[in-house]
Amino acid sequence: EVQLVESGGGLVKPGGSLTLSCAASGFTFSHYSMNWVRQAPGKGLEWVSSISSSSSYIYYADSVKGRFTISRDNAKNSLYLQMNSLRAEDTAVYYCARKPLDSSGWYFDYWGQGSLVTVSS
Amino acid sequence: QSVLTQPPSVSGAPGQRVTISCTGSSSNIGAGYDVHWYQQLPGTAPKLLIYANNNRPSGVPDRFSGSKSGTSASLAITGLQAEDEADYYCQSYDSSLSGHWVFGGGTKLTVL
Repeated sequence: EVQLVESGGGLVKPGGSLTLSCAASGFTFSHYSMNWVRQAPGKGLEWVSSISSSSSYIYYADSVKGRFTISRDNAKNSLYLQMNSLRAEDTAVYYCARKPLDSSGWYFDYWGQGSLVTVSS
Repeated sequence: QSVLTQPPSVSGAPGQRVTISCTGSSSNIGAGYDVHWYQQLPGTAPKLLIYANNNRPSGVPDRFSGSKSGTSASLAITGLQAEDEADYYCQSYDSSLSGHWVFGGGTKLTVL
C-alpha cells in the first residue's frame, strides 16, 4: 500500500524557517517524481514544487522561488521542503504527492495527509 | 485568481446528474495539455478522480466521467449520492511565463 506521511509542520514567526519531511513507503520511491502542494485555510490547492526521481529536474512556483528548496534522499525514501523567509501567506496545509510513473501528463496519484504550517507572530 | 476557472458551487438532488466546468486558455487546456480532477472530502487530503481528461483510476466508480473540448473541460457525476458531497478541483499544465502545474479554484458540490 502506498503511503506518504508528512511531518515537521508547526508554528513559526514571519521570517523564520521550517523543514517539512515526507516519508514514503509501499512503492519504489527512487523511481518517482515527487511534489509539494499546499492549501491555505479555506482556500484551494496550489502547486508549490516538484523534483524528478534523480533530482535532475526541480521546479518551483513563483510564489516560493528563492525561498523554498525541495530535495530528496532516495536511500531514506524521503522528500523534503526547506522553507526560509516564511510569510503569513505561506500558512497552509502542505501535502506531499506522487507523480505516476510512465504518465504522459503530470498529475498526482497519491497524496499524504498533510502537515500544517502556520506563520504568525 | 486561479488560472483555471471553476464555479464556486454546484448542487443536485440524490440520483441526479451534475457537471462541473473548468475553463482555461490557450496556454493550458487550449494548448492540448491534459486535465485531471481531484475530489477532496471534508477534512481529508485530495484524491485523484480522473486523469488525462477522461480516465478513471482503479476504484473510482463509473458514475464519474471527464471530458475536454477546446479551452475547457468538464467533470460529470451521475446518480448523485450523499457521499459525493465534497470539493472538486481540476488541474492542468500552463506554459505561460509563470507556468507549471495549475489548479482550478475548486467547486463545492452540495447534495440536497
